[in-house]
Amino acid sequence: NAGVTQTPKFQVLKTGQSMTLQCAQDMNHNSMYWYRQDPGMGLRLIYYSASEGTTDKGEVPNGYNVSRLNKREFSLRLESAAPSQTSVYFCASTGKGRADSGNQPQHFGDGTRLSIL
Amino acid sequence: AQSVTQLGSHVSVSEGALVLLRCNYSSSVPPYLFWYVQYPNQGLQLLLKYTSAATLVKGINGFEAEFKKSETSFHLTKPSAHMSDAAEYFCAVRGTSGGSYIPTFGRGTSLIVHP
Repeated sequence: NAGVTQTPKFQVLKTGQSMTLQCAQDMNHNSMYWYRQDPGMGLRLIYYSASEGTTDKGEVPNGYNVSRLNKREFSLRLESAAPSQTSVYFCASTGKGRADSGNQPQHFGDGTRLSIL
Repeated sequence: AQSVTQLGSHVSVSEGALVLLRCNYSSSVPPYLFWYVQYPNQGLQLLLKYTSAATLVKGINGFEAEFKKSETSFHLTKPSAHMSDAAEYFCAVRGTSGGSYIPTFGRGTSLIVHP
């Protein structure tokens, strides 16, 4: 059982380049999330998708776009990368059944380490 | 609005000593509370969760946490630290936002275990 799979694991970009981070889950979860983790800042929510077909902004959405391609896949796109977007990016999912009742934990991928020069 | 405060960005203990990691939360509704652990170069893994069934919650690897509503706290403890417990620990609360249970994480506490 793979859980949450993120690709790539590492990436180096130049300022201004674009890139899409991929995330897929095989647990039939309804909700999916993208976070960034920076030293001393914990996890900050970029975007989330409460269910297939919906996406919403989180705490730090500027400079990012997302696509909920289907129930399994949720991608994060950087249209024009900036050095401030150097970070570790985590995808997470939760919520089996008809609706997420809030008491279910999130399952995380192993992260994508992104450096922007 | 909800928030989570973890006191101490670093906690250092000796092997065999008590581990206490502090978490205080604010939430306008009864919360769902979680502790996660992150080992180097990995994602977060669930340690335990509080969902109102019992105030003392037992998790994996000998950890437990007690929900205290009057203190709005959910501190994580372990009686005896092992070297393998060295990791980053995150407290999280899930509250509602437009019908979605949006998680909010604390900034994390790095647990250092000395031999």
